[in-house]
Amino acid sequence: KAGVTQTPRYLIKTRGQQVTLSCSPISGHRSVSWYQQTPGQGLQFLFEYFSETQRNKGNFPGRFSGRQFSNSRSEMNVSTLELGDSALYLCASSLQIGTGGDTQYFGPGTRLTVL
Amino acid sequence: KQEVTQIPAALSVPEGENLVLNCSFTDSAIYNLQWFRQDPGKGLTSLLLIQSSQREQTSGRLNASLDKSSGRSTLYIAASQPGDSATYLCAVLTGANNLFFGTGTRLTVIP
Repeated sequence: KAGVTQTPRYLIKTRGQQVTLSCSPISGHRSVSWYQQTPGQGLQFLFEYFSETQRNKGNFPGRFSGRQFSNSRSEMNVSTLELGDSALYLCASSLQIGTGGDTQYFGPGTRLTVL
Repeated sequence: KQEVTQIPAALSVPEGENLVLNCSFTDSAIYNLQWFRQDPGKGLTSLLLIQSSQREQTSGRLNASLDKSSGRSTLYIAASQPGDSATYLCAVLTGANNLFFGTGTRLTVIP
């Protein structure tokens, strides 16, 4: 079974631009979560999507948004990029057939650099 | 708010040594606790998952324990190898699929 895939793997943008990152979960997984990893803040939860609905959201500004498609693939968008948005963005998928407690499987991440 | 702490932040050991990594969390209302490994510039690899009702999990040379009431978990690595060098992260699952991560322990195993 293929793992979680993320595209692109590397991205360089300038301040003020917007960016869209993509995540394809493991086949059959219904939940996709997004995380931001920076040296200063570590790994922080952005949001989670389940059956095309945002089910949970972390403490990030509205410039960060996402969506999930009917095939469970997910995209996240960051508008008006700031230098501080430079980070490794990780996506994780899980089965979520119950109320929780499933293993989350992570993709390789997208390294975003904002100049 | 859930806070997860890992001690030590960095650890350097000679090959073959057994070692213990520590993780503590402030809110015991968790679904599960996971230990991950992260190699430089890469994503996360799940090592072990302990459900809140369990006390420990084992996989090969790895053993993780969970004491939910005291908010602590340990990851025991037996007979360490240079290939074990990586950053180890623990994370607790609370609410609806929201993982709270520790800051990690950077492990170096010296040949």
